[in-house]
Amino acid sequence: GESVGLHLPTLSVQEGDNSIINCAYSNSASDYFIWYKQESGKGPQFIIDIRSNMDKRQGQRVTVLLNKTVKHLSLQIAATQPGDSAVYFCAENSDSNYQLIWGAGTKLIIKP
Amino acid sequence: DTEVTQTPKHLVMGMTNKKSLKCEQHMGHRAMYWYKQKAKKPPELMFVYSYEKLSINESVPSRFSPECPNSSLLNLHLHALQPEDSALYLCASSQEEEMNTEAFFGQGTRLTVV
Repeated sequence: GESVGLHLPTLSVQEGDNSIINCAYSNSASDYFIWYKQESGKGPQFIIDIRSNMDKRQGQRVTVLLNKTVKHLSLQIAATQPGDSAVYFCAENSDSNYQLIWGAGTKLIIKP
Repeated sequence: DTEVTQTPKHLVMGMTNKKSLKCEQHMGHRAMYWYKQKAKKPPELMFVYSYEKLSINESVPSRFSPECPNSSLLNLHLHALQPEDSALYLCASSQEEEMNTEAFFGQGTRLTVV
């Protein structure tokens, strides 16, 4: 797989506010997108996914938005809590490529 | 049971040692994966097993040797590793090899090579 960038972007959010984490994906042929959450010392945990025939999908306190025109994916977390502190990775996949292509990750820090 | 279990959680080994990492899942998934993750980086795919057969080897050095004894187990045998091989080794599984469904990850083995 490939990753984009050498630095880990950081987003600081006040507890209770909404968080928006952005991801620019690389392959216009990608048709499946996933967000993973990785807490310190743990493996990635699936949060939510979306297929290319949709532009929005909602889960519990999370929403994923897909803009295929500009190849942009975002994860919105409502009412951010301390337990949301983690590194968030977006990943993409296409039918012609069985492997996930991972984004560089964004570290979410919650301010009390 | 939606868990992927990895053992050990931590491992310190010398460059002349032989050790094995173990991974187990009981979700009936037919695809299992080994990933390597360095600090502040996304996971990098190493190997893919599909229906107990090696499907993908991402040009991994031969000092890493995967093994899939059965559909629930995946091992990674380590021999003559280098300090730069120190990383978090993650096992994952999914229903099929095509990664367009949810993949479950284990907690990882934190490997330090001294």
